[in-house]
Amino acid sequence: EDQVTQSPEALRLQEGESSSLNCSYTVSGLRGLFWYRQDPGKGPEFLFTLYSAGEEKEKERLKATLTKKESFLHITAPKPEDSATYLCAVQAGGYNKLIFGAGTRLAVHP
Amino acid sequence: GAVVSQHPSRVICKSGTSVKIECRSLDFQATTMFWYRQFPKQSLMLMATSNEGSKATYEQGVEKDKFLINHASLTLSTLTVTSAHPEDSSFYICSASGGGSTSTDTQYFGPGTRLTVL
Repeated sequence: EDQVTQSPEALRLQEGESSSLNCSYTVSGLRGLFWYRQDPGKGPEFLFTLYSAGEEKEKERLKATLTKKESFLHITAPKPEDSATYLCAVQAGGYNKLIFGAGTRLAVHP
Repeated sequence: GAVVSQHPSRVICKSGTSVKIECRSLDFQATTMFWYRQFPKQSLMLMATSNEGSKATYEQGVEKDKFLINHASLTLSTLTVTSAHPEDSSFYICSASGGGSTSTDTQYFGPGTRLTVL
């Protein structure tokens, strides 16, 4: 069964304290791995798509990497406005639907 | 680019009534649209997938007669919650994927609709 697991469930950082969020997956035939950011009461905001192991993408303070078993979302020198829930999702096989992880709730304090 | 809107953003209705939620892709043509629901502090749960001009494909356990989905054009999909009950209260979110300048694999999400059934 296809599965996506995110860790930690929640993370509290001080402003400027870099860290990484993990997304491990077990799927048959990965087509793509997606990272989204979701603020309370809003829909997810697209961040990155990764398609193959070794691929990396960056956007401001965020950098996403992909291996054959997991993906990391690295946050460098976070700011309070980076506080949100970060969701990881995969597309697998011949299907275009997403399988979501439970998310990591990130809180960045000044 | 890749903007998806939803209307309404919030709706409160009485038990037994029906509620329609609209999802529009504003700057691209969405060949596929998805409907999710999300409970507090939980992740998104896919309800159904719809392709323009075709019947929606519902996930296991989702009542297709209760949650009616119509994808009549490449920019509009609607979700109608029929005979709503308090247990249908939730946050409903749509997403869209398509071609043009967007990646066909990437889903772009709307802002969500908060449904409260009294």
